[in-house]
Amino acid sequence: GQQVMQIPQYQHVQEGEDFTTYCNSSTTLSNIQWYKQRPGGHPVFLIQLVKSGEVKKQKRLTFQFGEAKKNSSLHITATQTTDVGTYFCAGRPSGSARQLTFGSGTQLTVLP
Amino acid sequence: EAQVTQNPRYLITVTGKKLTVTCSQNMNHEYMSWYRQDPGLGLRQIYYSMNVEVTDKGDVPEGYKVSRKEKRNFPLILESPSPNQTSLYFCASSLSTGTGFVTEAFFGQGTRLTVV
Repeated sequence: GQQVMQIPQYQHVQEGEDFTTYCNSSTTLSNIQWYKQRPGGHPVFLIQLVKSGEVKKQKRLTFQFGEAKKNSSLHITATQTTDVGTYFCAGRPSGSARQLTFGSGTQLTVLP
Repeated sequence: EAQVTQNPRYLITVTGKKLTVTCSQNMNHEYMSWYRQDPGLGLRQIYYSMNVEVTDKGDVPEGYKVSRKEKRNFPLILESPSPNQTSLYFCASSLSTGTGFVTEAFFGQGTRLTVV
């Protein structure tokens, strides 16, 4: 079955440093979504990427979808303590719009 | 307010005692799903439903049942819970297009289940 790997599992950064999490799929994806889960909370949708090579920005967050549609990344510039949480990617296999497979998540800690 | 509501939020039960976790959404979404979250394993899909009376297995369906008799409700049933089902459970719903393409998932607040 489809697997979505996400690295790193944990990341500690000093406030103001940049942060990147990477997502890799064993199969081609029709789209990829990113979610953020604050400690003790539930996942909240951030963005969806659909096109090959697509890049989207949300303030300090930059999302990329690879040319082959098998990998994606989330980059946060100048982290803030409000960025703390676990970031998940979730991919949908091409040709099968039925199932969303989540990566294992990257837990971000921002030290003040 | 658009939301997905799960109940209960916390539950401690004993092995073998049947339980149901309810999930309800008020967004008229076709697609609903259940996930369990365990440390280091991310969110694993248990079951999903494309619409009323249409359900299918996810990645980890063993030991669980679901039903979708109404569009807004998607209960998760554990007929005979075991300790390895101790986990954090999330229900989610999404809009589904006519071609089956599913958009962003809205998650419930979660149910923390402990089976002793």
